[in-house]
Amino acid sequence: GAGVSQSPRYKVAKRGQDVALRCDPISGHVSLFWYQQALGQGPEFLTYFQNEAQLDKSGLPSDRFFAERPEGSVSTLKIQRTQQEDSAVYLCASSFLRGDEQFFGPGTRLTVL
Amino acid sequence: GESVGLHLPTLSVQEGDNSIINCAYSNSASDYFIWYKQESGKGPQFIIDIRSNMDKRQGQRVTVLLNKTVKHLSLQIAATQPGDSAVYFCAEKSYSGAGSYQLTFGKGTKLSVIP
Repeated sequence: GAGVSQSPRYKVAKRGQDVALRCDPISGHVSLFWYQQALGQGPEFLTYFQNEAQLDKSGLPSDRFFAERPEGSVSTLKIQRTQQEDSAVYLCASSFLRGDEQFFGPGTRLTVL
Repeated sequence: GESVGLHLPTLSVQEGDNSIINCAYSNSASDYFIWYKQESGKGPQFIIDIRSNMDKRQGQRVTVLLNKTVKHLSLQIAATQPGDSAVYFCAEKSYSGAGSYQLTFGKGTKLSVIP
């Protein structure tokens, strides 16, 4: 079956531009997570959804970051007025239930020039 | 704050040898640890996990050891193969009061297998 997919795989943005990153979780998975992975580092938690409810956004680094999952399936991570420090790989993961194993997508590599 | 980290950033091993990747954690309240493998251009992939009430857990060619006294976690890979070349992360699972849980990852160790 299909795993978690993310698009685009690569995104180059000029500083100040807005970007939108998409995550398609595994069908039927209730929980969805976003992580940010800087070069040479481990992933860092950004936010968590249970169905369409965003239960935890404590990891979002600033109010320029916004995530949504309006129908409890596909999720979008939006970054407004991108800065160079936003350059990273953004990973999406989903799990069937809250405490279950998380399955990760391939990530979107964002480069802000 | 609490953190999960690794002792060795890189590790090179000969094909067929055993590999040991280490991880130190600081949150003594952690009750669940996971090892992930991440290949270039891919997301992390679950390898094996262990609960804090266990000292050892074995999988296929992999063994995880947990020493709560010194807050140390290790991943042992037997008969290392070229396909094992990747970056390995340990992660700690924690629950928040918001009904959420999250994984806290260490920095990773790059394993290179020499044919």
